[in-house]
Amino acid sequence: GESVGLHLPTLSVQEGDNSIINCAYSNSASDYFIWYKQESGKGPQFIIDIRSNMDKRQGQRVTVLLNKTVKHLSLQIAATQPGDSAVYFCAENIGDGGSQGNLIFGKGTKLSVKP
Amino acid sequence: NAGVTQTPKFQVLKTGQSMTLQCAQDMNHNSMYWYRQDPGMGLRLIYYSASEGTTDKGEVPNGYNVSRLNKREFSLRLESAAPSQTSVYFCASSEAGVSYNSPLHFGNGTRLTVT
Repeated sequence: GESVGLHLPTLSVQEGDNSIINCAYSNSASDYFIWYKQESGKGPQFIIDIRSNMDKRQGQRVTVLLNKTVKHLSLQIAATQPGDSAVYFCAENIGDGGSQGNLIFGKGTKLSVKP
Repeated sequence: NAGVTQTPKFQVLKTGQSMTLQCAQDMNHNSMYWYRQDPGMGLRLIYYSASEGTTDKGEVPNGYNVSRLNKREFSLRLESAAPSQTSVYFCASSEAGVSYNSPLHFGNGTRLTVT
């Protein structure tokens, strides 16, 4: 079946280091991928997205890499800060998302930043 | 700018009781969604509304009904609550469906317990 999964359920990094959160997807027809951040007691917050015809996209302190050959997505956070501590979700848009909201969410990776 | 507002934040129901979860967005978005989030599982789509006047089932619609009251408001109703509906419910909106540069914006959730 279709699935979006994460290689590491938890990740602990030192403040100031770079963080890499990984995600595997199985639907080769997915055309759009998104990363969300969820802090405790809050809703998911959009971080960055990438289309399937792109390999890399950069935002403020974040970079998303897409490797379609191995169906792998990663989120890199530069100079990780305590405020980055949260659960990070990847999601893929399968088929013709359009108005259907066909987003499949992964289960999440918890990032803990040590001061 | 409040974004997506959900009420109530917390609710405890007894089995068989009914209730309506309210959601409003002030971003003039066309599409609105209801998700549930359970421990160890990704967000799952319950219902969505592509535009005012339309609603459609998502992945897990059984036991729920929705109403798109106007462009701003999208409510979720549990007619006869069951313990399996204990979850955190998130409302989300997007400018026009789910696509690149039209990400979902989430509220902070309603934490529902059914005893």
